Amino acid sequence: GAGVSQTPSNKVTEKGKYVELRCDPISGHTALYWYRQSLGQGPEFLIYFQGTGAADDSGLPNDRFFAVRPEGSVSTLKIQRTERGDSAVYLCASSLTASNTEAFFGQGTRLTVV
Amino acid sequence: ELKVEQNPLFLSMQEGKNYTIYCNYSTTSDRLYWYRQDPGKSLESLFVLLSNGAVKQEGRLMASLDTKARLSTLHITAAVHDLSATYFCATNFGNEKLTFGTGTRLTIIP
Repeated sequence: GAGVSQTPSNKVTEKGKYVELRCDPISGHTALYWYRQSLGQGPEFLIYFQGTGAADDSGLPNDRFFAVRPEGSVSTLKIQRTERGDSAVYLCASSLTASNTEAFFGQGTRLTVV
Repeated sequence: ELKVEQNPLFLSMQEGKNYTIYCNYSTTSDRLYWYRQDPGKSLESLFVLLSNGAVKQEGRLMASLDTKARLSTLHITAAVHDLSATYFCATNFGNEKLTFGTGTRLTIIP
């Protein structure tokens, strides 16, 4: 596609439920990143993939968060037992390679846990 | 601690005026990025600065980097309403993930 695509654009879920957020990167981009942006804050790093493997998952806040990228393209961020504090905009970005200077961001998924 | 600080956090300025947003980062880094974010939208890449003394300009925006001072600036010349947005700087501190500043919310008043 022309840009990074994220679905859904909005997600409202009840506390304790499981959610999956999807990211479709720019075709041919090998590096993929997930960030989380709380209201009034800058994005915070969650996890980064180079190809299929998670090269750095140091930003995942706890073991309720998990992400996969099984074929080196689409990635899914999974959140178990959601909490109200998980409410935020989840942004995905991709770049041509890991060392490439420019990352392109998707529109984000706004997650609201009620 | 790896930190990126921006100031000011909020900036309200009149059309036609000039102003500068400052971005300080806590330790050595080899890249500095500036992004623009409109309300409810994603991040738009404005500039990538890769070396000490780098200066890039696009329209009324100019970004510069001083790696010795660990400082980048985003200068706005003769502001127009369309520039109203939140501006973020970010750096990678030598690895692949970006650390963002808290953003500068810029409002241009007619």
